[in-house]
Amino acid sequence: QQQVKQSPQSLIVQKGGISIINCAYENTAFDYFPWYQQFPGKGPALLIAIRPDVSEKKEGRFTISFNKSAKQFSLHIMDSQPGDSATYFCAASATGNQFYFGTGTSLTVIP
Amino acid sequence: EPEVTQTPSHQVTQMGQEVILRCVPISNHLYFYWYRQILGQKVEFLVSFYNNEISEKSEIFDDQFSVERPDGSNFTLKIRSTKLEDSAMYFCASQRQASTDTQYFGPGTRLTVL
Repeated sequence: QQQVKQSPQSLIVQKGGISIINCAYENTAFDYFPWYQQFPGKGPALLIAIRPDVSEKKEGRFTISFNKSAKQFSLHIMDSQPGDSATYFCAASATGNQFYFGTGTSLTVIP
Repeated sequence: EPEVTQTPSHQVTQMGQEVILRCVPISNHLYFYWYRQILGQKVEFLVSFYNNEISEKSEIFDDQFSVERPDGSNFTLKIRSTKLEDSAMYFCASQRQASTDTQYFGPGTRLTVL
């Protein structure tokens, strides 16, 4: 059973464009939704996270949009840069419990 | 900035051998986790550990796996008799408080079972 569904599997964006990655979840007990960035051979690194009491969170070029009723959340990367090329994982957890990861999105930003 | 460290970075072993993967969590963190990632796949939860005992484990974490916090700093994952399908990246993560904080991941140990 896949707790968190992520799409697309891969994404190619021109430099300066907007990258959008989507995730959906089923478990209404989830109350913490982080996004992780992973470069080859490295561990996942926290990028940005949101809790369901807000609909949007922005940190620099990265924005999470959260739709509680639809049980969906998305990551928007504005002004995408080649250095953003990495694999992005969404995750979800209920307080104090394991993180459930999405299947990952491989982002390539073309110069 | 404090970080989670893991050793070794790469472990090669023969099928049936025991391996111990080591992690040093961030010093003031209380919750510890092991995850694994088979090449090209998603990160999968193995086990969580708090107050010197397992708090949650997944179906993957069978009797061949065990965890231990032998001292105040290290957190280990032992695989008693490795199988080919255990080949993966193993990530340790730590968390200060379960209710409010995110989990910080180490760089991982690549385990190759021959």
